[in-house]
Amino acid sequence: QLQLQESGPGLVKPSETLSLTCTVSGDSISSRSYYWGWIRQPPGRGLEWIGSFYYGESTYYNPSLQSRVTISVDTSKNQFSLNLSSVTAADTAVYYCARQTFYYYDTSGYWEYYFDSWGQGTLVTVSS
Amino acid sequence: SYELTQPLSVSVALGQTARITCGGNNVGGKNVHWYQQKPGQAPVLVIYRDSNRPSGIPERFSGSNSGNTATLTISRAQAGDEADYYCQVWDSRVLFGGGTRLTVL
Repeated sequence: QLQLQESGPGLVKPSETLSLTCTVSGDSISSRSYYWGWIRQPPGRGLEWIGSFYYGESTYYNPSLQSRVTISVDTSKNQFSLNLSSVTAADTAVYYCARQTFYYYDTSGYWEYYFDSWGQGTLVTVSS
Repeated sequence: SYELTQPLSVSVALGQTARITCGGNNVGGKNVHWYQQKPGQAPVLVIYRDSNRPSGIPERFSGSNSGNTATLTISRAQAGDEADYYCQVWDSRVLFGGGTRLTVL
């Protein structure tokens, strides 16, 4: 059974870097069958996609966060990590990691992505 | 940039049918996915590719997508269906709608 678990500091100071890790069990992040991604949700607000990767090929980020975000992979531990630099109070949110199904429609050139499994989420507060 | 518009809230009487819309320019030309999020919990995929239900999702949940509107329909609404619902598409990036709070009266 697939499980994703986020971990990391619950409190980060302004201007510092937020670092979180997602540990995956029940599937391999290097299997190249899925993308894997990060999504966040500020308190009382909606979902915002941060970024995703496909092992060995591509990593892509939300353009609104791209300059501050890095996603990295540790296949030996079946983990992937999120680094978000220069954080402010606006980055306070519950951060989720998730597995992302994808499909490419040859005839239309359309890509489809959706999140079929999510971690429980972890709250990160940015405050001094 | 592309946007998805959802009503902030929808109410439905117990046992009746709830319809939650997701509006976007020619959203019918995209594949729309729907998530249910109960308080304090992670989102759960309830509909993918406009109208497909993942394993374990009740048949009461259905979806459609045409023109500028995608719709999530919940038949025979139950108290346990009270949640926030989000639509999502791919438009050169993953994009979520703002979410709709469903209240079952």
